[in-house]
Amino acid sequence: DAGVIQSPRHEVTEMGQEVTLRCKPISGHDYLFWYRQTMMRGLELLIYFNNNVPIDDSGMPEDRFSAKMPNASFSTLKIQPSEPRDSAVYFCASSPSRVAKNIQYFGAGTRLSVL
Amino acid sequence: AQTVTQSQPEMSVQEAETVTLSCTYDTSESNYYLFWYKQPPSRQMILVIRQEAYKQQNATENRFSVNFQKAAKSFSLKISDSQLGDTAMYFCAFMKYGTDKLIFGTGTRLQVFP
Repeated sequence: DAGVIQSPRHEVTEMGQEVTLRCKPISGHDYLFWYRQTMMRGLELLIYFNNNVPIDDSGMPEDRFSAKMPNASFSTLKIQPSEPRDSAVYFCASSPSRVAKNIQYFGAGTRLSVL
Repeated sequence: AQTVTQSQPEMSVQEAETVTLSCTYDTSESNYYLFWYKQPPSRQMILVIRQEAYKQQNATENRFSVNFQKAAKSFSLKISDSQLGDTAMYFCAFMKYGTDKLIFGTGTRLQVFP
């Protein structure tokens, strides 16, 4: 299996621009998670989906952030408008059903820099 | 709310030696899972080992083992026969049973020297 695939690997944008991060989970996994990693706050869960349905978005920092999962093989995290404080590494992870030991498999992350 | 604490920001060890990374957590739950994830310079988070709280036996995966002390809420990771490829950030994480949310500690940066 190719694992969780995220794109782009790096993104540099200017303040005020829209940013879209993409994720392809491992085929057959029911859960998809979006995390943000910063030096100040560490790894934070932003939102997660079960069978394409958002279950918990309490970690989404502001209305500028939105996430969608239109089908089982694709998810996006959008920031509009972006701000310098959004600069971070954003990870996507997927997990099989709960009976499969709750293990989350991470992508390589997208490093976002907002200038 | 659950919290995970890793009190060692940085550790170093010589190749082939053994090193132990500390992790403590705070929870009122009795059923939960604990994890150690590794983040090498390539940035990808990789699962190292997993422990179920109801199991008294400590989990092991090859050179990696844990010391799980439920009463003390402690979950340390022991790496035996350290290798250069073990150089990475190591994150301890907690998941309450019946949920899907991982709560991470702040990480310990491990450097393995030749």
